[in-house]
Amino acid sequence: ETGVTQTPRHLVMGMTNKKSLKCEQHLGHNAMYWYKQSAKKPLELMFVYNFKEQTENNSVPSRFSPECPNSSHLFLHLHTLQPEDSALYLCASSQGWELFFGEGSRLTVL
Amino acid sequence: AQSVTQLGSHVSVSEGALVLLRCNYSSSVPPYLFWYVQYPNQGLQLLLKYTSAATLVKGINGFEAEFKKSETSFHLTKPSAHMSDAAEYFCAVISNFGNEKLTFGTGTRLTIIP
Repeated sequence: ETGVTQTPRHLVMGMTNKKSLKCEQHLGHNAMYWYKQSAKKPLELMFVYNFKEQTENNSVPSRFSPECPNSSHLFLHLHTLQPEDSALYLCASSQGWELFFGEGSRLTVL
Repeated sequence: AQSVTQLGSHVSVSEGALVLLRCNYSSSVPPYLFWYVQYPNQGLQLLLKYTSAATLVKGINGFEAEFKKSETSFHLTKPSAHMSDAAEYFCAVISNFGNEKLTFGTGTRLTIIP
């Protein structure tokens, strides 16, 4: 139990579907992150939020839409995804430089 | 700019043997360095970190790493491998604390041979 909870753990969706990934942290941290982990690639930072404000968007396609309603919750809204978007999506939080990760949401796009 | 290189995407060791996972960094200023471990179907978990205090850092599960500025290295070691150590290990660096985020290496998958 890392204090960062991600749901769902597994998601299969078609290219025309709309779905969302949810992340909740119980650590009182001010920063939250979305990372994408694909096979044989380095961990890719997608979005960063500090105190609910987006501070970083690493040229992520608009079919990924983040939402951070408060410092404890982070969503990743997904629509019209491509098969190459299949990956493990990791949420993390931090207070300082140490990241605390959730267990990830394994996304498969058919 | 900061970067980190992990030599060897796959490492196999026998149970009870020494584990050595290599990490070299590039940074124009003194960095902070981290090792994370990822077990199958889980997220990343912090093993240990170097934040400019002692150069030999001890972490969880018997792992340790030594910061060597002259070699720009932060190799991870464990004297005696256990079957439960089988996982993927990631080295990460941060140096420009105002603007940068953690930069991760590509990971090393550790296999333990019974």
